[in-house]
Amino acid sequence: QVQLQESGPGLVKPSQTLSLTCTVSGGSISSGDYYWSWIRQPPGKGLEWIGYIYYSGSTYYNPSLKSRVTISVDTSKNQFSLKLSSVTAADTAVYYCAREIVADAFDIWGQGTMVTVSS
Amino acid sequence: EIVMTQSPATLSVSPGERATLSCRASQSVSSNLAWYQQKPGQAPRLLIYGASTRATGIPARFSGSGSGTEFTLTISSLQSEDFAVYYCQQYNNWGTFGQGTKVEIK
Repeated sequence: QVQLQESGPGLVKPSQTLSLTCTVSGGSISSGDYYWSWIRQPPGKGLEWIGYIYYSGSTYYNPSLKSRVTISVDTSKNQFSLKLSSVTAADTAVYYCAREIVADAFDIWGQGTMVTVSS
Repeated sequence: EIVMTQSPATLSVSPGERATLSCRASQSVSSNLAWYQQKPGQAPRLLIYGASTRATGIPARFSGSGSGTEFTLTISSLQSEDFAVYYCQQYNNWGTFGQGTKVEIK
């Protein structure tokens, strides 16, 4: 059974870079059937898709975040990562990693990790 | 960007009753529409994909319908564990979510 687990700092200072990693267990990130995505949810608000990466390294980002987002993959470690630069308080959210069936829905989610942007 | 609009924002329903949730897309998304359930402190759970196909393990009381720009999630007989927030999401053009409908106990 595939599981995803987010990890990274829970507190980031304004203007710095948020960095998170998602570890995939129970299955291979190199499967061609899936995209590997990041989604966030500000406290008390809805869900916002950040972007995804394919095992080959191809990426696609939410246009509203594209200038600040980098998603990378490490197939040897079965992990993918998110970097979000120049963060502000508006980037405070629970960050989820998720598996997306290619051109379909998000079928497996990590438990989420809360990231607070504050000095 | 395709904007997804859900209604109502909050739905008050008694256990055992039927709940009908709506989702509208600002342009056609064909049948590329999913529904998720989220409980407090938990990650969303996939309920429906392809507008009407139940995900693995989802009870038959959950059903989805619609295509194009108008979609509906129906819960035929609400159980205590169904009180949660429900999100629709289109994946026809990258991915955007609706703002959610909270189903609360009446």
